[in-house]
Amino acid sequence: GAVVSQHPSWVICKSGTSVKIECRSLDFQATTMFWYRQFPKQSLMLMATSNEGSKATYEQGVEKDKFLINHASLTLSTLTVTSAHPEDSSFYICSAEGLAGVYEQYFGPGTRLTVT
Amino acid sequence: QKEVEQDPGPLSVPEGAIVSLNCTYSNSAFQYFMWYRQYSRKGPELLMYTYSSGNKEDGRFTAQVDKSSKYISLFIRDSQPSDSATYLCAMSAVRDDKIIFGKGTRLHILP
Repeated sequence: GAVVSQHPSWVICKSGTSVKIECRSLDFQATTMFWYRQFPKQSLMLMATSNEGSKATYEQGVEKDKFLINHASLTLSTLTVTSAHPEDSSFYICSAEGLAGVYEQYFGPGTRLTVT
Repeated sequence: QKEVEQDPGPLSVPEGAIVSLNCTYSNSAFQYFMWYRQYSRKGPELLMYTYSSGNKEDGRFTAQVDKSSKYISLFIRDSQPSDSATYLCAMSAVRDDKIIFGKGTRLHILP
């Protein structure tokens, strides 16, 4: 149980275009999902917390107009990187919160974004 | 001082050895302590989480928390090549709505 999927697993896009990444909890409902960014040999940096049916809460320094998050249902959250630039190239990972709370998170396999 | 400090390694040990992975932290409000395993180009996998101080055992894995020293450990017994991965510690305060991760320690188990 507690499986989280992400799609796509990798994507290459041109500078200035937008990319949407989907995060799904396959076998449980997740009121809260999280979006992280991870650079090589670095830790996971929380970008935003996504709650079903309400606006996402963004961490300081994360542009909400650039990283659009939609948590449309209890099993799906999406991250759209708008007007992507090469510096947005990174590994994006989502997680879904388990019943125990924020301390119990189940992660997706990640999406590698490369902006050319 | 960063909230969570973790030696990035790499740490190489022979198969069958006991592995000790550690993190230190500065925020005394942290009450929940987690260990995640991350294989290359994959998302992290939750191994264990503990509340407050003490030990917790799950198979070959044992997590220890020493809140007085602000120090947590993960021990892996009878290490296997399949244990080769990056191990991330993570922590959260009771009333927090997010967790803070360490940078992760790269572990190599040599056959």
